[in-house]
Amino acid sequence: DQQVKQNSPSLSVQEGRISILNCDYTNSMFDYFLWYKKYPAEGPTFLISISSIKDKNEDGRFTVFLNKSAKHLSLHIVPSQPGDSAVYFCAAGFSGTYKYIFGTGTRLKVLA
Amino acid sequence: DVKVTQSSRYLVKRTGEKVFLECVQDMDHENMFWYRQDPGLGLRLIYFSYDVKMKEKGDIPEGYSVSREKKERFSLILESASTNQTSMYLCASRDITNSPLHFGNGTRLTVT
Repeated sequence: DQQVKQNSPSLSVQEGRISILNCDYTNSMFDYFLWYKKYPAEGPTFLISISSIKDKNEDGRFTVFLNKSAKHLSLHIVPSQPGDSAVYFCAAGFSGTYKYIFGTGTRLKVLA
Repeated sequence: DVKVTQSSRYLVKRTGEKVFLECVQDMDHENMFWYRQDPGLGLRLIYFSYDVKMKEKGDIPEGYSVSREKKERFSLILESASTNQTSMYLCASRDITNSPLHFGNGTRLTVT
C-alpha cells in the first residue's frame, strides 16, 4: 500500500514559468513532510520541509503548500530554471517514528 | 555542512558473494538509514539505526543485515548477493526526528 503517492511521473515546464509538483498521502497521522531533489548519479538533496501545524513554507524560489483535509501537498518552483531539471521526491513521517515514507518521484524537465 | 560518504560509487559483484557497503557521517548524528532506489518504486527503507549497536528493520530487510559499531559508521551487508539486489543504495543520516535526512551520493550495485 503506497502511503505517499506522486501520480505524475514526469512534468515539462518552460524556463521562467511556475513548476507545480504534487504529492498525495493516505495516512492522516503524518505530521512532517519534506521535498528532495535528485540529480542522476547523486544522492537526494533536501529542499524544503513543512510541519502539519503550518499550511505554507517558503524558501527562496521554493514554496511548499500543505492541505491537510485533502491529504495533499505541493511544491511550487518560481521561476523555474534549467538547473531545476531533476527528479523530485516527497516524503512524509510522523512523530514517534524514525522513518520517512517516500513517493515514487516526479521527473521535472525545465525547457530553455 | 553535513557530509555523508559512501565508500564506493559503483560495485559489480557475482551472485552469492557477500557484499559490504560502507557509510560514514561526520556530524555526530544519532540516526542512520539505508535505502534503495529503483525506477518506479521510489526510495524504500531497508534498515535504520537510532543509536550505536541499535538497529531496526525497515520495509524491505530480507537478504540484508546491518552493523553499527561506531556512531559515525553504518554498514549494509548483503549476505549472499542476488540479481534482484541490483540497485542504487543510499545511506542517510539525521540528527533528531522531524528533521531532514542527509544523503550520501549512493552506490550503484550490479549483481551478475
